[in-house]
Amino acid sequence: EPEVTQTPSHQVTQMGQEVILRCVPISNHLYFYWYRQILGQKVEFLVSFYNNEISEKSEIFDDQFSVERPDGSNFTLKIRSTKLEDSAMYFCASRWDRDNSPLHFGNGTRLTVT
Amino acid sequence: AQSVTQLGSHVSVSEGALVLLRCNYSSSVPPYLFWYVQYPNQGLQLLLKYTSAATLVKGINGFEAEFKKSETSFHLTKPSAHMSDAAEYFCAVSPSGNTPLVFGKGTRLSVIA
Repeated sequence: EPEVTQTPSHQVTQMGQEVILRCVPISNHLYFYWYRQILGQKVEFLVSFYNNEISEKSEIFDDQFSVERPDGSNFTLKIRSTKLEDSAMYFCASRWDRDNSPLHFGNGTRLTVT
Repeated sequence: AQSVTQLGSHVSVSEGALVLLRCNYSSSVPPYLFWYVQYPNQGLQLLLKYTSAATLVKGINGFEAEFKKSETSFHLTKPSAHMSDAAEYFCAVSPSGNTPLVFGKGTRLSVIA
């Protein structure tokens, strides 16, 4: 069964550095998402992406964050200048259409900012 | 605004016992409701979803959930727990199919032999 893949599985970075988290959504999916989960807290929505543009974003998704679909397969989340509080598990998800088709999640990237 | 409350951050049951994981939601419109499971070091996997059809929804691995509008609940149940059910379970709500999911904090299920 096709799946969403995320790399790397674990990223360690120093505060102030830029990081790029990578995702390959399922190939025929059209809607893409990033969520994050700070340890012990809820899974929180960051951003949704469709037709090469952001369709919705949360308050968490400030100017330090950006997303891009540089080619037909990858979907990336960039954090420009990481802060300690950005340490979390970041999940990429995709779905085929916008209605009640389910979200398919990747295994996540654990980001640790030191 | 939509929200989800999962009662109990950790539930422990014996193998073969009933599993009951509680989820209450708030939504200004009839919601779409979901249960996801997360096994260690893996992503979130859809267990089942409610999308305004039958109120009793059957999912994978023998799980089911019942939508009760009067109680604003969508509790997850399984008649007989198996060791392989040990995982983190997340309830999620969406006011419509095209809005982002709002997740609960999750409930960790432990199954004791």
